[in-house]
Amino acid sequence: QLQLQESGPRLVKPSETLSLTCTVSDGSISRSTYLWAWVRQSPGKGLEWIGNIYNTGITYYNPSLRSRVSILTDTAKNQFSLKLTSLTAADTALYYCARHEILGATDGLDMWGQGTMVTVSS
Amino acid sequence: SSELTQDPAVSVALGQTVRITCQGDGLRSYFASWYQQRPGQAPILVLYGRNDRPSGIPGRFSGSSSGDTASLTITGAQAADEAEYYCCSRDSIGNRWLFGGGTKLTVL
Repeated sequence: QLQLQESGPRLVKPSETLSLTCTVSDGSISRSTYLWAWVRQSPGKGLEWIGNIYNTGITYYNPSLRSRVSILTDTAKNQFSLKLTSLTAADTALYYCARHEILGATDGLDMWGQGTMVTVSS
Repeated sequence: SSELTQDPAVSVALGQTVRITCQGDGLRSYFASWYQQRPGQAPILVLYGRNDRPSGIPGRFSGSSSGDTASLTITGAQAADEAEYYCCSRDSIGNRWLFGGGTKLTVL
């Protein structure tokens, strides 16, 4: 069964850039019906959609983060990544990667990684 | 509005039926998906589309939609259903996704 695993630093300094990678196993990220998504959850808060990407490279971003975020795929490694710049304490969160299946007006994030906690602190 | 609105908390007696709602303009054009999140765990998809359940999700979970409101219904709630539930959908333009604020379900 397809699995997703986030990796990256757990502690990042304010103003620096966060880089996270999601490795997808037992399934290709190249299938056209899937987007690959990043979602985060601040401590004690709800889920926040960050953005997602098709295997073609088409991306969609949360407008509130668009100026600071980029998502890329690496089909050779079957990975996708998140970069978030100009970090502040407000970016401290549990970051999830997920597979996002799209079928017309129907969609769902049907597979999730376990999440990786990132703390922004000096 | 570009938000999805959920009631913060709902309770249900064991074995009874509960409905969790999600309201937003985008729901007039797009279906909601619903996620269950237990404490300390990643969310899991429990419902999507018109009324579709992923493999392994019990049949007591069902969905409906009318106008700008989507609903998740649990018929015969079990103790294992106690969790936070989030809806998710695209906004009315269709180029971004939103999560609702979440509904904490307590099974009494």
